[in-house]
Amino acid sequence: DAGITQSPRYKITETGRQVTLMCHQTWSHSYMFWYRQDLGHGLRLIYYSAAADITDKGEVPDGYVVSRSKTENFPLTLESATRSQTSVYFCASSESSGTSGGRSEQYFGPGTRLTVT
Amino acid sequence: AQTVTQSQPEMSVQEAETVTLSCTYDTSESDYYLFWYKQPPSRQMILVIRQEAYKQQNATENRFSVNFQKAAKSFSLKISDSQLGDAAMYFCAYRSPRGSYGKLTFGQGTILTVHP
Repeated sequence: DAGITQSPRYKITETGRQVTLMCHQTWSHSYMFWYRQDLGHGLRLIYYSAAADITDKGEVPDGYVVSRSKTENFPLTLESATRSQTSVYFCASSESSGTSGGRSEQYFGPGTRLTVT
Repeated sequence: AQTVTQSQPEMSVQEAETVTLSCTYDTSESDYYLFWYKQPPSRQMILVIRQEAYKQQNATENRFSVNFQKAAKSFSLKISDSQLGDAAMYFCAYRSPRGSYGKLTFGQGTILTVHP
């Protein structure tokens, strides 16, 4: 079924390990985003991307790395996981940024719950 | 930078009644988008309603409507004829059409409980 998927849905890892969260969308949306959700903070932007090979930092980028070699994929890597990175991570995509018409709303994946022990 | 504030951490409503969730935001822009997202226990983020700032008419989607007060920078969500399935966390979000590829800035969320 078309849409936006994330894997894994649940992950437990140890402090210091590298972890990659995957995001895949089938709409060929140009814009993709990674957010983390923490109680009391809502969702906060980690990284975003306007197209393949174009990425930029969001509000809370420290400790994370992204890449976007293909339009449909936008993996998020925690280079050396810390307990403060325990969170729920959401990937989202959008057809438009809103400046040139097109639908501006973002569509979200199901989320990945990451626990760092 | 834009900020979004949801001052009600929790709200409750009786089934079939009406409830209003509050959201205020701070921006210096005149053109932007506002959204309400619903997050049920499944964690899936579901778009409820969308409002373009240049439109004076308040958006409506079935039982969901907004009260958009641009001068007051207020964007409340009204849920009419509440149903048990409306129980969820609700997030208000702001999106600028300029810069940052249209990223969303979220409020802290409001947990809505619906009593039978």
